Amino acid sequence: AQTVTQSQPEMSVQEAETVTLSCTYDTSESDYYLFWYKQPPSRQMILVIRQEAYKQQNATENRFSVNFQKAAKSFSLKISDSQLGDAAMYFCAYRSPNNNDMRFGAGTRLTVKP
Amino acid sequence: KAGVTQTPRYLIKTRGQQVTLSCSPISGHRSVSWYQQTPGQGLQFLFEYFSETQRNKGNFPGRFSGRQFSNSRSEMNVSTLELGDSALYLCASSLFSLAGGFSYEQYFGPGTRLTVT
Repeated sequence: AQTVTQSQPEMSVQEAETVTLSCTYDTSESDYYLFWYKQPPSRQMILVIRQEAYKQQNATENRFSVNFQKAAKSFSLKISDSQLGDAAMYFCAYRSPNNNDMRFGAGTRLTVKP
Repeated sequence: KAGVTQTPRYLIKTRGQQVTLSCSPISGHRSVSWYQQTPGQGLQFLFEYFSETQRNKGNFPGRFSGRQFSNSRSEMNVSTLELGDSALYLCASSLFSLAGGFSYEQYFGPGTRLTVT
């Protein structure tokens, strides 16, 4: 079974600085999808960025980018120019191509200091 | 386009009771998945419905069930509630097209926070 591990329960960053959240996963599949979701306090889960395993190029969405290392089964999220609104729980998630059973990591709580 | 909606947003029930939660997906989305989120276990997949049929099921007891209607709205039911069922229940919808198949992106609703006393 696929598992997702986020080894950093909490992280903090100074406003305008850069922070990297770590995620590793375990799978025997060669094709899959990886996601980072953001869950602000008492608010709904929002998709931040996605990566298809067959793509070598790392995904980028504005200030958010990933470092996808398929051989190492690593999928880290980099947030540049951090803003106060980035404070949230961040979940790394894995999804097989054949079903919608998403496997989530335990989450990393990101605090942004003004 | 309206997002995923879930009702009710908050619910307090007593042990032994049953509860039904509702989820309306984004218009045009035909796949609905349910997740349970707790501080101890994190986010866990409950089940997924597509075209009124359960397509996948997570590792939860039979007290947890669901269904999907012809308009893609979905309900989940928990019978004989236990204290451990207290959680945030999240619904997510995704698109299916004949050309592209299932979209791998899921869009989440705000959740229903269930408290069992």
